[in-house]
Amino acid sequence: QVQLVQSGAEVKKPGASVKVSCKASGYTFTSYDINWVRQATGQGLEWMGWMNPNSGNTGYAQKFQGRVTMTRNTSISTAYMELSSLRSEDTAVYYCARGIFGGAFDIWGQGTMVTVSS
Amino acid sequence: DIQMTQSPSSLSASVGDRVTITCQASQDISNYLNWYQQKPGKAPKLLIYDASNLETGVPSRFSGSGSGTDFTFTISSLQPEDIATYYCQQYDNLPRTFGPGTKVDIK
Repeated sequence: QVQLVQSGAEVKKPGASVKVSCKASGYTFTSYDINWVRQATGQGLEWMGWMNPNSGNTGYAQKFQGRVTMTRNTSISTAYMELSSLRSEDTAVYYCARGIFGGAFDIWGQGTMVTVSS
Repeated sequence: DIQMTQSPSSLSASVGDRVTITCQASQDISNYLNWYQQKPGKAPKLLIYDASNLETGVPSRFSGSGSGTDFTFTISSLQPEDIATYYCQQYDNLPRTFGPGTKVDIK
């Protein structure tokens, strides 16, 4: 079945970086964008950016420009999101989501909890 | 950035009730509006895309309407399994933005 499976929970210290993976299966990885959305505990959804797995082109929300990098390895159908200079406010669940119809997210990963704490 | 607002922020209704949630965009987004359902501890689920199109497999009691800046999401007959938070999301412009969510529970 079509699914996105993300890497496990992470605990990081302030100032460190985290890299979350998102492995696609059940469809052609390079045919759909991958988006990243995060959600702090008890809060709403915040879009971070997108990547075209075919070209590698990316687009990031201005809030994360300079701190986020989205990459992919097409040979293993896996997308990555790396966030650097972590601070406590980055503590959240990070989701990858497949983009369709130009801007709907139809398949979501299970989420990766990233905790930033000293 | 396009700001999305939703009302109400929460509601309680009885099983079988009709439930309506509104979403307003800070500028004209045509019909580039999606609705998601999120249950506690789970990833969001796409219910409605392009303002009014039901995603495959989603029960027909869910519907959406609207265009421009004002949109409506309706559950025609609330079921216990519909307890969740519902989010609208625009994709007219980058960055994609979500509404703050509407939490629905059973009275």
